[in-house]
Amino acid sequence: QVQLVQSGAEVKKPGSSVKVSCKVSGGTLRSYEISWVRQAPGQGLEWMGGIIPLFGTTTYAQKFQGRVTISADESTSTAYMEVSSLTSEDTAVYYCARDDLDGYPHGWYFDLWGRGTLVTVSS
Amino acid sequence: DIVMTQSPDSLAVSLGETATINCKSSQTVLKSSNNKNYLAWYQQKPGQPPKVLLHGASTRESGVPDRFSGSGSGTHFTLTISSLQAEDVAVYYCQQYYSTRYTFGQGTKLEIK
Repeated sequence: QVQLVQSGAEVKKPGSSVKVSCKVSGGTLRSYEISWVRQAPGQGLEWMGGIIPLFGTTTYAQKFQGRVTISADESTSTAYMEVSSLTSEDTAVYYCARDDLDGYPHGWYFDLWGRGTLVTVSS
Repeated sequence: DIVMTQSPDSLAVSLGETATINCKSSQTVLKSSNNKNYLAWYQQKPGQPPKVLLHGASTRESGVPDRFSGSGSGTHFTLTISSLQAEDVAVYYCQQYYSTRYTFGQGTKLEIK
């Protein structure tokens, strides 16, 4: 069965960057959009952005535009999300989530999620 | 961006009773050409990723018990959980996917009274 396998927990210093990976195990990136959703401790879900490898397009939430870069490597079926200029406010669990392209050009719901990657930003 | 607002922020319901959670969007998520609402509901238990319960406002995802139901159209939606069970304790989120700048409601924490 298809799974989204995320990289392990990270501890970063303020001002640094972090890159989190999300590998599609048992499947392919094609025909899907991969989004990144974060959840700060005790808080709700916040969509950060997504990538459609089939079209080579990325979309970002306005809040993260310019500070977040989402990319994908179809040869390894892996998506990546890099956040720069980290602050303590970026301490959160980062999830990757898959949605179908059935609704294109609208979006679609997230039917598959990774287990999450905890990123802790601390001096 | 489309703002999603849920109410209440938390609620406590007795086992076997019905829980109702509301979700309002700042603009319509109904696509008139196909009469589909681009609205999903998720359940998140502690330490777990969210799990989709309903999409299209009222279509249950495969394997989701039929005590979970959704209604509404346009900008106002409701998630109803009937015959509440202990395993339903979780935080519930609505999400719009009409815009590809996806947005979630702030979440509703459901507890047992």
